[in-house]
This record gives sequence, C-alpha cells and structure tokens, in this order.
Amino acid sequence: GDSVTQMEGPVTLSEEAFLTINCTYTATGYPSLFWYVQYPGEGLQLLLKATKADDKGSNKGFEATYRKETTSFHLEKGSVQVSDSAVYFCALSDRGGSSNTGKLIFGQGTTLQVKP
Amino acid sequence: DSGVTQTPKHLITATGQRVTLRCSPRSGDLSVYWYQQSLDQGLQFLIQYYNGEERAKGNILERFSAQQFPDLHSELNLSSLELGDSALYFCASSPGTGGFYEQYFGPGTRLTVT
Repeated sequence: GDSVTQMEGPVTLSEEAFLTINCTYTATGYPSLFWYVQYPGEGLQLLLKATKADDKGSNKGFEATYRKETTSFHLEKGSVQVSDSAVYFCALSDRGGSSNTGKLIFGQGTTLQVKP
Repeated sequence: DSGVTQTPKHLITATGQRVTLRCSPRSGDLSVYWYQQSLDQGLQFLIQYYNGEERAKGNILERFSAQQFPDLHSELNLSSLELGDSALYFCASSPGTGGFYEQYFGPGTRLTVT
C-alpha cells in the first residue's frame, strides 16, 4: 500500500541554520504531496502542497519540490527561527481511480527544535 | 484558526464506556475526515464522509462508527472503550473529495481512557 517515510528526529538546529527534512513516498497512483506542521498543543496546519511532478510548493520561507523520479518531497528552509520549532508531517493523498478519496497518509513526523 | 471546530477539547472516561466526538467543518466544505493520532501508531486515517455519505474507510475499529448529518457536521462514536483508544482525534474538512483538495484540521479532541 501507499506509504510515507520521513527522516528520524528530533532535529536540533541553531537559529538561522539551514533546514532539510527528508521525505520519500511509495504510491501506486499519482499522489498529491503535502507538508503539515503541528505546534505544541495544536492541530495540524497545512504548510505547503504540490500536485504534480516538478511542482514546487512554498510558504513562509519553506519549500518542497515534487520529485517523481526519486519519489521524494524534501522540506527546506534557508534560515530557521525559534518560532519554527514544531513537528512536521509529510503526507500524500492518492488521486488515482477508486482510491481518489483524498484520505491522507502521513509519515511519522519529525520534531524540529530551534535554539536561539 | 482553520474554521474547523471540534468538541469537546478533552474527554476523560473509563474503560467500557461510550463517547461521542463532534466536528463542524468549514463553511461550504462537504467532506469530513477523521484521524487518530497516537504515540505508537502515529497519524492514521479512520473514515471519510462526503455530503452525508460514507466515502472511505481506513483502519477504523468495529467499535467505532461515524456519521455526517444534513447540516454537514459529523460525529465519531467510540464504544466499549479500551485503554489503547486513548489518543488525539482530529477531524479535517475539505471542499470536495479527492487528492487535489487541501484538508483543514480542527484542534482535536484528546481522549483519555482510564
């Protein structure tokens, strides 16, 4: 079945460091890809999305490019802030045939801690 | 604020009991999804309703059921509760059904079974 694999956390960075969180996926169809962020005690917020190969999603300085050839959707940010400390989830939603319900399949989440 | 509301925020109950979790989607959204977040299983899809009808089922136990009402709010019913049912339960809504649409999540209901 479809699945998403994220790099193990926690990731600890200093403020203004470069961030990469790796995400790879397995899907039988042609999925949409998403990054969600969960701040402590809150629900999930959509950070960015991409719906086709080579699409780049971006928001709040975060970027991720849909790479079909490597089945990846790595999250990057050039300069992290303390306020970026949260749990980040990579997810896919299959858009093929009868499975095109939009249900999200999530990776296990990566905790990011940014220190001043 | 995503526009999705969930009640209650916290729920503490005993094993064997039954509880109902409520979700109101964003205005205009027709799809409601339910997810369970636990430490050992992560975030897992439970069930989806679209415009009042069940659309997809995931890893939902037979003790769990859901419905979507004509005003599009949804309820998740959990019965014969076990300790392992303790988790965060999220609902999410989207305008339609299908992988193209973004989902907007509510703040969640934290269920503790003692």
